[in-house]
Amino acid sequence: SQQGEEDPQALSIQEGENATMNCSYKTSINNLQWYRQNSGRGLVHLILIRSNEREKHSGRLRVTLDTSKKSSSLLITASRAADTASYFCATVRAGGTSYGKLTFGQGTILTVHP
Amino acid sequence: NAGVTQTPKFQVLKTGQSMTLQCAQDMNHNSMYWYRQDPGMGLRLIYYSASEGTTDKGEVPNGYNVSRLNKREFSLRLESAAPSQTSVYFCASRDRGRVNYGYTFGSGTRLTVV
Repeated sequence: SQQGEEDPQALSIQEGENATMNCSYKTSINNLQWYRQNSGRGLVHLILIRSNEREKHSGRLRVTLDTSKKSSSLLITASRAADTASYFCATVRAGGTSYGKLTFGQGTILTVHP
Repeated sequence: NAGVTQTPKFQVLKTGQSMTLQCAQDMNHNSMYWYRQDPGMGLRLIYYSASEGTTDKGEVPNGYNVSRLNKREFSLRLESAAPSQTSVYFCASRDRGRVNYGYTFGSGTRLTVV
């Protein structure tokens, strides 16, 4: 079963605008991660936020985590055409037997128009 | 370049044929994973190997077998391919001791079963 639900499924914006993607999950987590996938390529790790963190930044990326609502958001500021890709959230469940297994959401397709 | 290497990149099989997807990583990671990606489904875990010498089923293991040949290599075998196994397959690895680091993914194998 899919752990994460992502919203929106597709997002289309102009270059320079901000893009916000949301992710909800069902179980207690150890951490939540965001990945990018360019068309026809593998996934690239963007950022990881631990369950005891509320916000994290990396370059133009800002991730927030609200464990009480079991939700996270990814903000990409000043978007560029090169940011066009699919973005996935993925969670690692809390608990010793998870072995770091990632459970993915269905992804958000982001299109940035020049 | 360091990373995860998957072979082949593309494959077409007839129903009932068998094949093995190869995966190798050169980052000295302990844990390795096989995922499949279907349209609108995100990534789903097929099998994983938490460490050399161990393998366990993931969310969708039916129709597949795996072998952790050594610390570097983790192969996925389809004994009798079915059209439902048409998908893109991704191998990933991570350092089990670094729980707050992301996965490294290969570039994928696009498999079509006719």
